[in-house]
Amino acid sequence: AQSVTQLGSHVSVSEGALVLLRCNYSSSVPPYLFWYVQYPNQGLQLLLKYTTGATLVKGINGFEAEFKKSETSFHLTKPSAHMSDAAEYFCAVSEDSNYQLIWGAGTKLIIKP
Amino acid sequence: DAGVIQSPRHEVTEMGQEVTLRCKPISGHNSLFWYRQTMMRGLELLIYFNNNVPIDDSGMPEDRFSAKMPNASFSTLKIQPSEPRDSAVYFCASSIRTGVTEAFFGQGTRLTVV
Repeated sequence: AQSVTQLGSHVSVSEGALVLLRCNYSSSVPPYLFWYVQYPNQGLQLLLKYTTGATLVKGINGFEAEFKKSETSFHLTKPSAHMSDAAEYFCAVSEDSNYQLIWGAGTKLIIKP
Repeated sequence: DAGVIQSPRHEVTEMGQEVTLRCKPISGHNSLFWYRQTMMRGLELLIYFNNNVPIDDSGMPEDRFSAKMPNASFSTLKIQPSEPRDSAVYFCASSIRTGVTEAFFGQGTRLTVV
């Protein structure tokens, strides 16, 4: 069965510092992987996704993620945090035969001035 | 495109009352999802439809919850009777079920049952 684990319910970084949000998954087949962002009082918005091809995926707002099959990971990074990045981030996985998304618990990103 | 449209944005109701949440998916999308988000449980999938047909409603918490999709452009989630523990943000999302594409979310309905 598929599952998604996001390490850390809260992550705090200083403005300008590297952002690293961790996501590990379990899947019996090559997965499709997604990162979504939720700003306060808003719905979820797609940041980036991996389906096939290049394992380093670039998304909106300067975020990127790398699919590492050997580590079953899809960590989200951004070189320099901005105050506007404060939000909750969700990792999700889907298998080809079942397009239903399995969601991680979410990580709240806190940006310190 | 206006995106997924949900109404109302906020709903406050008394325990025991019927509540109806509404969703208009993105035109051309043939899959629709209802989610519930709470602090305690996070994001939970309640039900999803494909081509207006309910495919999996295993996430619906109990018989008080029901969902319908009478046509491709409209869906409702009804709670009758409502209880304080139903207080949550309810999201509707839609996607195209061809290959693997992302789900597009509405702004959500914040339901408070007092």
